[in-house]
Amino acid sequence: GENVEQHPSTLSVQEGDSAVIKCTYSDSASNYFPWYKQELGKRPQLIIDIRSNVGEKKDQRIAVTLNKTAKHFSLHITETQPEDSAVYFCAASYNDMRFGAGTRLTVKP
Amino acid sequence: GAVVSQHPSWVICKSGTSVKIECRSLDFQATTMFWYRQFPKQSLMLMATSNEGSKATYEQGVEKDKFLINHASLTLSTLTVTSAHPEDSSFYICSARVAELSTDTQYFGPGTRLTVL
Repeated sequence: GENVEQHPSTLSVQEGDSAVIKCTYSDSASNYFPWYKQELGKRPQLIIDIRSNVGEKKDQRIAVTLNKTAKHFSLHITETQPEDSAVYFCAASYNDMRFGAGTRLTVKP
Repeated sequence: GAVVSQHPSWVICKSGTSVKIECRSLDFQATTMFWYRQFPKQSLMLMATSNEGSKATYEQGVEKDKFLINHASLTLSTLTVTSAHPEDSSFYICSARVAELSTDTQYFGPGTRLTVL
């Protein structure tokens, strides 16, 4: 089955800096790669996703890149703000979705 | 966007009792729903995939007789934790896929926090 690895497990940045979270996946059949933001005790919220026919996608301060050959994808957050602080999960999906272990992002004011 | 609800949002029960959790897609029909379990400070672990009108597909290590899943309609899936024990205490989250394509977005319910005393 699919195995998704996510790094780093924790990330602390200064407000205004950029944050990058990286994930790798094992199943070459996976074709959908969403990123979720989860605040404590809340449901995961989709922040951006990318499908396997696209290499890069951007939505304001958030961007995702996908390298199908290497089987890795990354989340980039620019101009970070304190409200970006949360746990971020990557996922890879073919028939079902598997999640990475999560990255706890802390943005210091 | 698509809305998924879960009920109850939290439940406390005694060891040995059964607890039913409902997952509803409010504004769309979901042929496929997923059930996840999340322990504190950990990731979401897929428990089972629920397809309307058919038996659920359970992940390895998940006891199907303990975690009963029913997906009787296109808008409702239920998870029943039978004979609950303290180690079953967790955050249970469902999600629903809007359409059949694997590349379609999954929307999550708000989760149910189960505490077994």
